[in-house]
Amino acid sequence: GNSVTQMEGPVTLSEEAFLTINCTYTATGYPSLFWYVQYPGEGLQLLLKATKADDKGSNKGFEATYRKETTSFHLEKGSVQVSDSAVYFCALSEETSGSRLTFGEGTQLTVNP
Amino acid sequence: DGGITQSPKYLFRKEGQNVTLSCEQNLNHDAMYWYRQDPGQGLRLIYYSQIVNDFQKGDIAEGYSVSREKKESFPLTVTSAQKNPTAFYLCASAQRDRGYTGELFFGEGSRLTVL
Repeated sequence: GNSVTQMEGPVTLSEEAFLTINCTYTATGYPSLFWYVQYPGEGLQLLLKATKADDKGSNKGFEATYRKETTSFHLEKGSVQVSDSAVYFCALSEETSGSRLTFGEGTQLTVNP
Repeated sequence: DGGITQSPKYLFRKEGQNVTLSCEQNLNHDAMYWYRQDPGQGLRLIYYSQIVNDFQKGDIAEGYSVSREKKESFPLTVTSAQKNPTAFYLCASAQRDRGYTGELFFGEGSRLTVL
């Protein structure tokens, strides 16, 4: 079956530091890949997505590249801000499962001033 | 504004009681979902519905029930058969035309605590 594995958290960084959150996946077909973000006390919001190999998703300074050869979709940001503190979820969806997403465990990010 | 509304935001229940969580959307989306979130476990799918009057079990459906009588509503009942119901419950919806894209729109969640 499908699965998503994220790097263990929590992650604590200082403002303006470089961020990487690792995500690898297992899928039977050709999934679409997503990063969702959850701010404290809220539901999840889509941050970025990529639908095929070598696609790069980007939004709000965050980027992730769909790497089929390494089955990875690592999230990066060059300079984090305090407002980026949240939980980040990697997820995948396959056409055969409709919009049924498989989520990773989530990674808590805290950015200190 | 269009969106998904979940209620109540916080709910306390005694053991042995059923409780129903409300989810309403005005996005005109065909598909709706219920996820459960536990610390360190990410989100797990309870039930989903791709069309009115039809729904399917997700990965952890035992002890839960749903209905989809209207396009905009997808209530979740946590029954007394659910062994560990204390959790954060998230409802989501998705558009169906042009094929599913995997983009879900989430409500703000309902936190259920069993005393």
